[in-house]
Amino acid sequence: GENVEQHPSTLSVQEGDSAVIKCTYSDSASNYFPWYKQELGKRPQLIIDIRSNVGEKKDQRIAVTLNKTAKHFSLHITETQPEDSAVYFCAASINGNQFYFGTGTSLTVIP
Amino acid sequence: GAGVSQSPSNKVTEKGKDVELRCDPISGHTALYWYRQSLGQGLEFLIYFQGNSAPDKSGLPSDRFSAERTGGSVSTLTIQRTQQEDSAVYLCASSRSRQIATNEKLFFGSGTQLSVL
Repeated sequence: GENVEQHPSTLSVQEGDSAVIKCTYSDSASNYFPWYKQELGKRPQLIIDIRSNVGEKKDQRIAVTLNKTAKHFSLHITETQPEDSAVYFCAASINGNQFYFGTGTSLTVIP
Repeated sequence: GAGVSQSPSNKVTEKGKDVELRCDPISGHTALYWYRQSLGQGLEFLIYFQGNSAPDKSGLPSDRFSAERTGGSVSTLTIQRTQQEDSAVYLCASSRSRQIATNEKLFFGSGTQLSVL
């Protein structure tokens, strides 16, 4: 089955700097890659997703890139703010049939 | 309702007792997932339903864990003879039919915090 690896497990950045979280996947059939943000004590919330027919997607300060050849995708957060502090999970899926999650990245934005 | 609903939000039980956790997915969502999240840890997959059938139950940690889904909607996760290591947040998520490739977004419930004393 699919195996998703996520790095780093923890990340601290100064407010205003950029943060990058990287994930790799093993199954070349995976074609949908969502990212979830989980604040302390809250449910995971979908923040951005990308399908395999595009290489990059951007939504304000958040962007995701996908390299199908290398089987990796990344989350980029620019101009980080304290409210970006949370745990971020990547996932890979084939047409939404089962979701395989990474182990999470705890992001701390230092004011 | 507008989102995935789980109940109870908190459950405290004694070791050895059985518990039932309930998940009410978003209306029209045929796929339903159960995950377990221990404190500070990632999302551990338990079981996946497509309609009433469970094509993937590979994540259930032991035969004390079982889940069912009737009517293609509400699902219950049952843990028999609970142990302290079962303490965790149990998250449910749902998505539309996989047949509609553009509607595979996964939405999570708020979870049930289970504490086994």
